[in-house]
Amino acid sequence: DQQVKQNSPSLSVQEGRISILNCDYTNSMFDYFLWYKKYPAEGPTFLISISSIKDKNEDGRFTVFLNKSAKHLSLHIVPSQPGDSAVYFCAASAQGSGTYKYIFGTGTRLKVLA
Amino acid sequence: NAGVTQTPKFRILKIGQSMTLQCTQDMNHNYMYWYRQDPGMGLKLIYYSVGAGITDKGEVPNGYNVSRSTTEDFPLRLELAAPSQTSVYFCASSYEPTYNEQFFGPGTRLTVL
Repeated sequence: DQQVKQNSPSLSVQEGRISILNCDYTNSMFDYFLWYKKYPAEGPTFLISISSIKDKNEDGRFTVFLNKSAKHLSLHIVPSQPGDSAVYFCAASAQGSGTYKYIFGTGTRLKVLA
Repeated sequence: NAGVTQTPKFRILKIGQSMTLQCTQDMNHNYMYWYRQDPGMGLKLIYYSVGAGITDKGEVPNGYNVSRSTTEDFPLRLELAAPSQTSVYFCASSYEPTYNEQFFGPGTRLTVL
């Protein structure tokens, strides 16, 4: 039972263009979402988060959008840079229910072409 | 600050052997976690700890044990290694469990043959 799904295993984007990574979830109790970036042979590093009380959070080139009715979130990277090439994981948690366990998606490998 | 450190980076075990994966953090975080990542899959929570002396099971605890005698250290013990435990193991920590990101170590790649 995959509660958090990233249906695109990979994505290629030209440098300078927008990258859009998608994530769907099934558990309506999820109220906190994060995106992590992972380079090969390294651990994931935190990128950006969003609480369910918001529908958008922005940090520099990175913006996360949350559509609660569709149970969908997306990460926008504008403009994309070659250094953004990595695997991106979304993660979700039902913090309001008293749990702090995160459920991770399977990841999307982004390749930014110079 | 070194953040979260893990040793070893790589290990090959034979079926039935045991080993301990070490994890240390120097951020004074109370909350620590162990995940495994299988190829093409997301991270699955094995065990977590909310402070020294307190641990609890995650999604996939079978075949593993943990202990938390200090705030800094959270070792993961594999008893009787099996090929199904071939994976990359990540340790993570967080200051607060809620509405906070986790800081991850670099991972340990374990192969059981």
